[in-house]
Amino acid sequence: NAGVTQTPKFQVLKTGQSMTLQCAQDMNHEYMSWYRQDPGMGLRLIHYSVGAGITDQGEVPNGYNVSRSTTEDFPLRLLSAAPSQTSVYFCASSYVADYTGELFFGEGSRLTVL
Amino acid sequence: DQQVKQNSPSLSVQEGRISILNCDYTNSMFDYFLWYKKYPAEGPTFLISISSIKDKNEDGRFTVFLNKSAKHLSLHIVPSQPGDSAVYFCAANWGDDMRFGAGTRLTVKP
Repeated sequence: NAGVTQTPKFQVLKTGQSMTLQCAQDMNHEYMSWYRQDPGMGLRLIHYSVGAGITDQGEVPNGYNVSRSTTEDFPLRLLSAAPSQTSVYFCASSYVADYTGELFFGEGSRLTVL
Repeated sequence: DQQVKQNSPSLSVQEGRISILNCDYTNSMFDYFLWYKKYPAEGPTFLISISSIKDKNEDGRFTVFLNKSAKHLSLHIVPSQPGDSAVYFCAANWGDDMRFGAGTRLTVKP
């Protein structure tokens, strides 16, 4: 039972480069989301999706794109990386019908932008 | 704006004693509150939650208290164990919007 899988676990980019963080879940969850964790800031929501073909912005969406073509996958794209995007990124998923909002998280992807 | 605040970045307690982690929120629309636990190099894992219509929820050694009038919740761990040493995040949920606090690092000393 893999749960939520994120790749890569570590990545170093130069300013202006692009990359995609991959996220896949095998729990048939409708809801998927991306968070970034920064010191003193907690986890901040970047983008989320309540089902295939549906995405929406969270607290800090600027500089990031997402798409949701399947229930299982929710990639996060950085089109032109900036040092301010150096962070640890977490993908999370849940059942839409779970009103408590309990999220299942991946192990995280640590991104450094030089 | 930080709608969920954990004002204590760290807490240290002795094994066997009570750990109390606090959290304040500003948005009265939040209807579920959750605590997550995070070990280094791992993703957060769900610990316990409480609905806004309740004031207490217990699960084994963990109890969450909610004071809606004060917009305050707390997590009690009794008795604390060294394996509880981790970062604890408070979160509040309303619809598709879940906001997290900055986290409190709990250290339980043997």
